[in-house]
Amino acid sequence: GENVEQHPSTLSVQEGDSAVIKCTYSDSASNYFPWYKQELGKGPQLIIDIRSNVGEKKDQRIAVTLNKTAKHFSLHITETQPEDSAVYFCAAISTGTASKLTFGTGTRLQVTL
Amino acid sequence: EAQVTQNPRYLITVTGKKLTVTCSQNMNHEYMSWYRQDPGLGLRQIYYSMNVEVTDKGDVPEGYKVSRKEKRNFPLILESPSPNQTSLYFCASSLSRGIANEKLFFGSGTQLSVL
Repeated sequence: GENVEQHPSTLSVQEGDSAVIKCTYSDSASNYFPWYKQELGKGPQLIIDIRSNVGEKKDQRIAVTLNKTAKHFSLHITETQPEDSAVYFCAAISTGTASKLTFGTGTRLQVTL
Repeated sequence: EAQVTQNPRYLITVTGKKLTVTCSQNMNHEYMSWYRQDPGLGLRQIYYSMNVEVTDKGDVPEGYKVSRKEKRNFPLILESPSPNQTSLYFCASSLSRGIANEKLFFGSGTQLSVL
């Protein structure tokens, strides 16, 4: 089955700096890669996703890059703000009628003033 | 407001006492799923349902049951809870057009403690 590894487990950056979270996956058939943000006391919320036919996707201050050959994808947050502080989860899906979503173990991002 | 509603938010129980965590979505989503979140392990899928009356096991189904009698509801049942089921539980749903579990909407979570 799919195995998704996520690094680092914790990340502290100063406000205004960039943050990068990296994930690797094992199943070459995986072709959809979402990122979820979980704020304290809340459920995860989808913030950006990318399909395997795209190498990069941006949405304002966040971007995701995908390297299919190396089987890794990354979340980039620029100009970080205190409200970016949260736990971020990457995930991978292998398509099919019983497509399986596998999550990484999460990265706790803290943006300090 | 489009949402996934879980109840209760917090639950403390004792070993062996049957309990049910309810989950309801108002988005007419076909796909629903339960996850548990444990420190260092991320989110692990317990059960999922592609549609009414269709359920299947996820990665960690032991000790849990589910049912999908209506499209909007997907309760999680613990027939005989044990301390190793102490965890934070999330219900999620998605429209399921194309990839079944893309663009998941999560509930706010249920923190369960089994003593």
